[in-house]
Amino acid sequence: QQQVKQSPQSLIVQKGGISIINCAYENTAFDYFPWYQQFPGKGPALLIAIRPDVSEKKEGRFTISFNKSAKQFSLHIMDSQPGDSATYFCAASINTGNQFYFGTGTSLTVIP
Amino acid sequence: EPEVTQTPSHQVTQMGQEVILRCVPISNHLYFYWYRQILGQKVEFLVSFYNNEISEKSEIFDDQFSVERPDGSNFTLKIRSTKLEDSAMYFCASRRQGRPNQPQHFGDGTRLSIL
Repeated sequence: QQQVKQSPQSLIVQKGGISIINCAYENTAFDYFPWYQQFPGKGPALLIAIRPDVSEKKEGRFTISFNKSAKQFSLHIMDSQPGDSATYFCAASINTGNQFYFGTGTSLTVIP
Repeated sequence: EPEVTQTPSHQVTQMGQEVILRCVPISNHLYFYWYRQILGQKVEFLVSFYNNEISEKSEIFDDQFSVERPDGSNFTLKIRSTKLEDSAMYFCASRRQGRPNQPQHFGDGTRLSIL
């Protein structure tokens, strides 16, 4: 059973454009939704995270939008830069703090 | 900024051999995790560890796998008799205690290649 579904699998965006990556989850017990950024040869690095008591969280050029009723959340990267080119994973967990359920990842390429 | 460090960065092992992957979590963290990522696929949870015992494990974490915190700093993953399908990147993660949930911080991984 795939707990977290992520789309698209790959995304190409022009420099300065908006990158949007979507995730959907099934388990209503999830209450922590982080996004991780992974560069080749590196481990996932926490980018931004949200809890279900808010509908949006913004940190710099990165924004998470959260729709609790639809069980969906998305990452928006404003003014995308070539340095943002990486694989992005959404994840979800329950407050016990144990395993993260990761999405399948989105390979983002920002072209100059 | 404190980091999770993993050694070795790349481990090549013959099928059937035992392998130990090592991790040094961030020093004030109390929760420890192992994940794996088969090439081109998503990150999959293996096991979580707290207070010197396993708190949760996935179906991937069978009897061939074990974890240990042999001293105050290291956290190890042992695979007793490796199989070809164990070839993957293995990531260690740690987080500190606190509510609400604290984020997990990942190391850069060990690439395990089984021949």
